[in-house]
Amino acid sequence: AQSVAQPEDQVNVAEGNPLTVKCTYSVSGNPYLFWYVQYPNRGLQFLLKYITGDNLVKGSYGFEAEFNKSQTSFHLKKPSALVSDSALYFCAVRDGHNQGGKLIFGQGTELSVKP
Amino acid sequence: ETGVTQSPTHLIKTRGQQVTLRCSSQSGHNTVSWYQQALGQGPQFIFQYYREEENGRGNFPPRFSGLQFPNYSSELNVNALELDDSALYLCASSPGGTESYNEQFFGPGTRLTVL
Repeated sequence: AQSVAQPEDQVNVAEGNPLTVKCTYSVSGNPYLFWYVQYPNRGLQFLLKYITGDNLVKGSYGFEAEFNKSQTSFHLKKPSALVSDSALYFCAVRDGHNQGGKLIFGQGTELSVKP
Repeated sequence: ETGVTQSPTHLIKTRGQQVTLRCSSQSGHNTVSWYQQALGQGPQFIFQYYREEENGRGNFPPRFSGLQFPNYSSELNVNALELDDSALYLCASSPGGTESYNEQFFGPGTRLTVL
């Protein structure tokens, strides 16, 4: 069965420091991996995705993510955090062999960036 | 380019009632997916529609049903509402059919409260 785990409910970072939000996944086929961000009372905004190719994926707002097949991980990173990055972050996976729209989401990680 | 829109923004119903939520997909997108996000949880896949037909369904009972119209807009209907149906309902659209690598673009959601 497909699943996503975000082991940290909350991540606290000082502004200007690097941030990492962790994600591990489990799928039977090739994983298609996504990161979304959710601001209070808003829908989800797409940040980046990994389909194939280069393991380091660059996305919106300076975020990037590294795909690691051996560790089945897809951690979200940013070299220098901003206070405005404070939000709820979701990792999601889709099985590449599954021709359907089912995205499996993690529980979410609350990122708090302090000045 | 208009994004995904949903109506209404908020809705309060009582147990046993029926509700219809509406979604207009982003221009050019022919695939619509619905998700339920309970408080403090990640979104859970309800179902997806592609060219007016259901294309994949999550673990939700039959009282959750949907429609997609020729203009690709969509409705989510929930019958016999239960207290546990209280959640944020998210609609997402994507281009190019049901290929697994397409990212989904989310609307702001409808907050449903069941009393």
